[in-house]
Amino acid sequence: NAGVMQNPRHLVRRRGQEARLRCSPMKGHSHVYWYRQLPEEGLKFMVYLQKENIIDESGMPKERFSAEFPKEGPSILRIQQVVRGDSAAYFCASSRQRQGDIGKLFFGSGTQLSVL
Amino acid sequence: RKEVEQDPGPFNVPEGATVAFNCTYSNSASQSFFWYRQDCRKEPKLLMSVYSSGNEDGRFTAQLNRASQYISLLIRDSKLSDSATYLCVVRGSGNTPLVFGKGTRLSVIA
Repeated sequence: NAGVMQNPRHLVRRRGQEARLRCSPMKGHSHVYWYRQLPEEGLKFMVYLQKENIIDESGMPKERFSAEFPKEGPSILRIQQVVRGDSAAYFCASSRQRQGDIGKLFFGSGTQLSVL
Repeated sequence: RKEVEQDPGPFNVPEGATVAFNCTYSNSASQSFFWYRQDCRKEPKLLMSVYSSGNEDGRFTAQLNRASQYISLLIRDSKLSDSATYLCVVRGSGNTPLVFGKGTRLSVIA
């Protein structure tokens, strides 16, 4: 019973390149969340998605960042024209749809993005 | 005021000690409360939910005071394996996302 799968584990990009981070939720989970964590900082909410819908993107930067969760396949967090300040650990989490389970998140191992 | 504020760390305690972490939240409409644990360079993992009546799970006890908007976590008989960062987490109503505190680092020393 696989948990939340994120890949790649580490991603190195040069300034101006694109970064694509992938996340497959746990089986049976239909809610996906993306969080960003800077060194010595807390987790910051970015976006909340259900299949084919963005529910809350209040934490997403207005430019260069986008997310999707298609009907088939993993959720993708896409960062265009990366800058050094984008270097961080990006965690994906999933939860089940039942009201009592919303809020109990299961996290992937994260993608460490390094921008040179 | 930050949405979720925690005691600054680190807490360095000897094995067997009892340690308490505190957390305050600013949104009085918050509905759900949790403690997560995060080991160094790893993903956060749910430690326990926090209920209004208080709840206990082995050596861990969580308390919630809605009037004061205050949450606590008590760890008794600390083990070396308890060394980690403890994250206070709060959720508003409906489908609002979880808000994480910055965490409090605990080091249990032999």
